[in-house]
Amino acid sequence: GAGVSQSPSNKVTEKGKDVELRCDPISGHTALYWYRQRLGQGLEFLIYFQGNSAPDKSGLPSDRFSAERTGESVSTLTIQRTQQEDSAVYLCASSLVRDQPQHFGDGTRLSIL
Amino acid sequence: GENVEQHPSTLSVQEGDSAVIKCTYSDSASNYFPWYKQELGKRPQLIIDIRSNVGEKKDQRIAVTLNKTAKHFSLHITETQPEDSAVYFCAARHGGSQGNLIFGKGTKLSVKP
Repeated sequence: GAGVSQSPSNKVTEKGKDVELRCDPISGHTALYWYRQRLGQGLEFLIYFQGNSAPDKSGLPSDRFSAERTGESVSTLTIQRTQQEDSAVYLCASSLVRDQPQHFGDGTRLSIL
Repeated sequence: GENVEQHPSTLSVQEGDSAVIKCTYSDSASNYFPWYKQELGKRPQLIIDIRSNVGEKKDQRIAVTLNKTAKHFSLHITETQPEDSAVYFCAARHGGSQGNLIFGKGTKLSVKP
């Protein structure tokens, strides 16, 4: 596609529910990243995928967070048993390879009631 | 852990003036420094980046300088325009070419007509 695509653009859910966020990277980009951006803050790295290699999960804040990606296609970020502190914009980015510039999607604004 | 400090947090300038945003990083192995512009409710957009083998890079009204010895880098915007108003984020890739981006907390730039 022309750019990184994320869905949904907005998600409102009750505390304790599970949510699944989706990212469709730029075609041909082997590297994919998830970030969290709390209101008025910078971007916080969550997880990185490179092709079929094992992902770098070093940024995941707790075991309630997980992500999957098959090959160089779509990725999903899952948050289980959501808490109010999970409220944030979740941004996905992709790059040709890890050492190349990252291009971001519009993000998913997650609100936990 | 690795850290990127960004100053100032807010910056207000008159149209036509210059704006300078400064960042410092802690990891001496960092070798890639991008700058992103994020308008309200929009995705971060890469505006310029620099690698550690050069000291300065310029693209029209935007320039970035890097001082590896002091571990700081700066964004310079000349002849500012109202459309330059946005939040600007610096980032540093820690740990070399295979590391993750660490972002600063952002600078909100307001350009007054």
